[in-house]
Amino acid sequence: EAQVTQNPRYLITVTGKKLTVTCSQNMNHEYMSWYRQDPGLGLRQIYYSMNVEVTDKGDVPEGYKVSRKEKRNFPLILESPSPNQTSLYFCASTSWGEYTEAFFGQGTRLTVV
Amino acid sequence: KQEVTQIPAALSVPEGENLVLNCSFTDSAIYNLQWFRQDPGKGLTSLLLIQSSQREQTSGRLNASLDKSSGRSTLYIAASQPGDSATYLCAVPHQTGANNLFFGTGTRLTVIP
Repeated sequence: EAQVTQNPRYLITVTGKKLTVTCSQNMNHEYMSWYRQDPGLGLRQIYYSMNVEVTDKGDVPEGYKVSRKEKRNFPLILESPSPNQTSLYFCASTSWGEYTEAFFGQGTRLTVV
Repeated sequence: KQEVTQIPAALSVPEGENLVLNCSFTDSAIYNLQWFRQDPGKGLTSLLLIQSSQREQTSGRLNASLDKSSGRSTLYIAASQPGDSATYLCAVPHQTGANNLFFGTGTRLTVIP
């Protein structure tokens, strides 16, 4: 079954404590990305990766890092989380091309206190 | 910069009604448009992908249309059911690349039994 798996699903942490949200896909997709979803603002792209070792900033990259060492994995790293990073996070993957469907993970609800 | 608008933000209908959800976008130079469904705790599911060369795409009780020249898409749901209750999102490719998505803020649909 085609899947994008995020972990953890729920996370409560304190300001400044580094955390990593993992994302893995089993479809051999080249393209992966991270979004955050906030009320009234919709989903906004944080970072994306077009292939292994190729990453670039999306619309709201401040405070986040990513890495793409393997094709299937695309972790999101918050080096020093702050309360304004409290949000619902989604990982997505697609095969490369203009007419391809995007697959999303189930989301990670992060609360930073 | 692309802007994607979905109106209304929320909609309640009695079971069995046909309904139309609207999506408008400002930059008509798009490769495709996708409609997604979002259920609480279950991430996003792609419903329909319309390529720029198409005007319609159908899947079961769902029909999506695309009018690039006017910057509009509609999602038609026939004979609505309580199980259709969810948030519906439309998305177009971001200017940074065809596989980056720019989302509307969604329409929250409630189908009343």
